[in-house]
Amino acid sequence: QVHLVQSGAEVKNPGASLKVSCKASGYSFSDYYIHWVRQAPGQGLEWVGWVNPDSGGTRYAEKFQGRVTMTRDTSTKTAYMELSRLRSDDTAVYYCARSHVVVTLDVWGQGTLVTVSS
Amino acid sequence: DIQMTQSPSSLSASVGDRVTITCQASQGISNYLNWYQQKPGTAPKLLIYDASNLETGVPSRFSGSGSGTDFTFTISSLQPEDIGTYYCQEYDKSPFTFGPGTKVDLK
Repeated sequence: QVHLVQSGAEVKNPGASLKVSCKASGYSFSDYYIHWVRQAPGQGLEWVGWVNPDSGGTRYAEKFQGRVTMTRDTSTKTAYMELSRLRSDDTAVYYCARSHVVVTLDVWGQGTLVTVSS
Repeated sequence: DIQMTQSPSSLSASVGDRVTITCQASQGISNYLNWYQQKPGTAPKLLIYDASNLETGVPSRFSGSGSGTDFTFTISSLQPEDIGTYYCQEYDKSPFTFGPGTKVDLK
């Protein structure tokens, strides 16, 4: 079975950095992009960016450029999203999801709740 | 960025009703549109891709149509397990915007 399993909930202070992990199983990790999508409390879905597990290449939404870094470790089939200079409006559930060539997200992780508060 | 709108923002319907949701893109996106279902406290689930293709394992009561700027999502006979929020998403251009969602509940 195909699964994406994310790391646990985090509480961070404003200005801090965050690193969330997403471990893949049940498929060839290198064959699918890993995307990160976030959802603020009671709000809709917002695409953050993707990492290509094969090449390590990345693409980020312009809104997050300069604050986000997406990486992967092919030996452990794990993707990571790091977000720096956290603000209170970064409080959200962060999901990882996979896609093949186009951005059709067919498998999702369970989500990681990130709370930014002093 | 491409803007996505959905209507209605919420609806109440009875079991067995036909439910229709529309999604409009601010510019033409061909058929580069997906539909997702999200139940409270869970991750979204892909239902329809390429505007009209049913994802494997998704019941046939769900369907999608449209191209260009105007799209429709239909539940032919609403079931209790269909309660949740439905999102369209364009994948023509970054940042691959999602619509604001349509919340469906039972009357």
